[in-house]
Amino acid sequence: DAGVTQSPTHLIKTRGQQVTLRCSPKSGHDTVSWYQQALGQGPQFIFQYYEEEERQRGNFPDRFSGHQFPNYSSELNVNALLLGDSALYLCASSPGYSYEQYFGPGTRLTVT
Amino acid sequence: DQQVKQNSPSLSVQEGRISILNCDYTNSMFDYFLWYKKYPAEGPTFLISISSIKDKNEDGRFTVFLNKSAKHLSLHIVPSQPGDSAVYFCAASANNNDMRFGAGTRLTVKP
Repeated sequence: DAGVTQSPTHLIKTRGQQVTLRCSPKSGHDTVSWYQQALGQGPQFIFQYYEEEERQRGNFPDRFSGHQFPNYSSELNVNALLLGDSALYLCASSPGYSYEQYFGPGTRLTVT
Repeated sequence: DQQVKQNSPSLSVQEGRISILNCDYTNSMFDYFLWYKKYPAEGPTFLISISSIKDKNEDGRFTVFLNKSAKHLSLHIVPSQPGDSAVYFCAASANNNDMRFGAGTRLTVKP
């Protein structure tokens, strides 16, 4: 049983570009959350998707958007990249509204 | 605003001894607390949790204590093992809304 998977593992983009990160949840999980983890800090909540709708959102600008597909997989899109967007992006899945989330290994995004 | 704080960036203990990791929070609406463990190049792994209606939860070598009046929780690992060496994150949620994480504490267990 595969856990949460994310792609790509690493990504280098130039300031101003756009990026799409992908996440497949753990089997049986229908809720996907995205987090940004800057170096030396804990994960910061970006948003959560449930039943293909954005259920809740953290304090991130509209440049950050997402999508959830009928198979529960999800994408995170970031437009107009800034140097400060360089971070590890983590995807977590859970069944329904469970507090206990399972994390993927993350995508390391570097903006130059 | 940092609603969950882990004030110790690192902790080093001897194998077999107790490890105590601490976490403070400011939001009295938090009703569920979790500890995650993170190894390098991996995502955080759920370790143990506690509801605000309890003050202790135990799972094998891991025990979490919650002191609501002090807005403080701690994770005890007894006995500590070298494989416990990792970064530990404290997290909290209010009404299953967005999870807030602390900055993490790096635990090193020396053989």
